[in-house]
Amino acid sequence: DAGVTQSPTHLIKTRGQQVTLRCSPKSGHDTVSWYQQALGQGPQFIFQYYEEEERQRGNFPDRFSGHQYPNYSSELNVNALLLGDSALYLCASSRRGTNEKLFFGSGTQLSVL
Amino acid sequence: KQEVTQIPAALSVPEGENLVLNCSFTDSAIYNLQWFRQDPGKGLTSLLLIQSSQREQTSGRLNASLDKSSGRSTLYIAASQPGDSATYLCAVRNGSSNTGKLIFGQGTTLQVKP
Repeated sequence: DAGVTQSPTHLIKTRGQQVTLRCSPKSGHDTVSWYQQALGQGPQFIFQYYEEEERQRGNFPDRFSGHQYPNYSSELNVNALLLGDSALYLCASSRRGTNEKLFFGSGTQLSVL
Repeated sequence: KQEVTQIPAALSVPEGENLVLNCSFTDSAIYNLQWFRQDPGKGLTSLLLIQSSQREQTSGRLNASLDKSSGRSTLYIAASQPGDSATYLCAVRNGSSNTGKLIFGQGTTLQVKP
């Protein structure tokens, strides 16, 4: 059983560019959340998707947007990249209506030059 | 606003020692608390999940406790090994269901020396 998979693992972009990160949830999971983790910090919640809609959002600007597909996979898009967007982006999946723990992917390391 | 704090930020111990990592949170109205392990540049591995109605959870050499009223949780690692070296993060979920966001502490980086 594959866990949460994220792609790509590493990405280098320049300021002003746009980036798309992808996530496939663990089998049986229907809810996907995205987190940003800056170096030396704990992860910060970006947003959560369920039934193809954004359900909750953290304190992130509109440059951060997402999408969830019918197969529960998800994308995180970041427009007009800033140097401060350099971070590890983590995807987590869970099954709504249960008390199961959250499962995280290995992350995408984004470097903005 | 919920805030999560982990002390110490870093810890170095000799192999075989028992140790305790601390996590405190400001709002006791949590739904559950989860401890994670993170290796450098990697994702998070869930270690233990404690529901708000529970006092502790155990898995192998790990034991996590929860005291909601005082806003504290501890992660006890018995007989530490070099392979336990990693960053340990605690996270709380507020609200009344398992759909809320996780709020993380900054982590404790543990080094176990052979």
